[in-house]
Amino acid sequence: AQTVTQSQPEMSVQEAETVTLSCTYDTSESDYYLFWYKQPPSRQMILVIRQEAYKQQNATENRFSVNFQKAAKSFSLKISDSQLGDAAMYFCASPAQGAQKLVFGQGTRLTINP
Amino acid sequence: DTGVSQNPRHKITKRGQNVTFRCDPISEHNRLYWYRQTLGQGPEFLTYFQNEAQLEKSRLLSDRFSAERPKGSFSTLEIQRTEQGDSAMYLCASSPWGGPYSYEQYFGPGTRLTVT
Repeated sequence: AQTVTQSQPEMSVQEAETVTLSCTYDTSESDYYLFWYKQPPSRQMILVIRQEAYKQQNATENRFSVNFQKAAKSFSLKISDSQLGDAAMYFCASPAQGAQKLVFGQGTRLTINP
Repeated sequence: DTGVSQNPRHKITKRGQNVTFRCDPISEHNRLYWYRQTLGQGPEFLTYFQNEAQLEKSRLLSDRFSAERPKGSFSTLEIQRTEQGDSAMYLCASSPWGGPYSYEQYFGPGTRLTVT
């Protein structure tokens, strides 16, 4: 991707509820990868979920799933049954076109209310 | 622990001093990346190695910055004549070469640099 945009600087959700974080990207490639990373406060960034663009099926990892809309260049993350440990900055990312480096969005800070 | 490690975790230095950070990637990963992250922002790419070869450098990497990866194992990032604008978290990541997971990058805990 050349650019990755996260339009929600902050989100909050009640514990056990579902929340969706938005991400849009720009690319001219037909096959590419998309990632969501989680960065808890003062802790390292960890990979949450990946999506390969040529796969039409949305990726799922336990309580985390994505809604990948290739034509709209949209890649949202849904967290079901939110837990206090889900509180973190979430970054959407994709490799730059023709390169190995990742391009990150600005991040969404997720707060879980008990 | 076989994850990416970085040292030191925190570094406070005075403006004008030189600093060096170290990154040890996951042992079987031959690609290594450096990113810089300022508060409240996503990481920005600095440079990338495949084995010992530095294949890409960002325009963010001014002449005061240099990175090495001797023997294709650990890497160092040196900042000379530090400026207050260099204050940031410096993240290292690694990934395998080839295969379906070559684009997945695994991050270390970062080195937080404060320039006073």
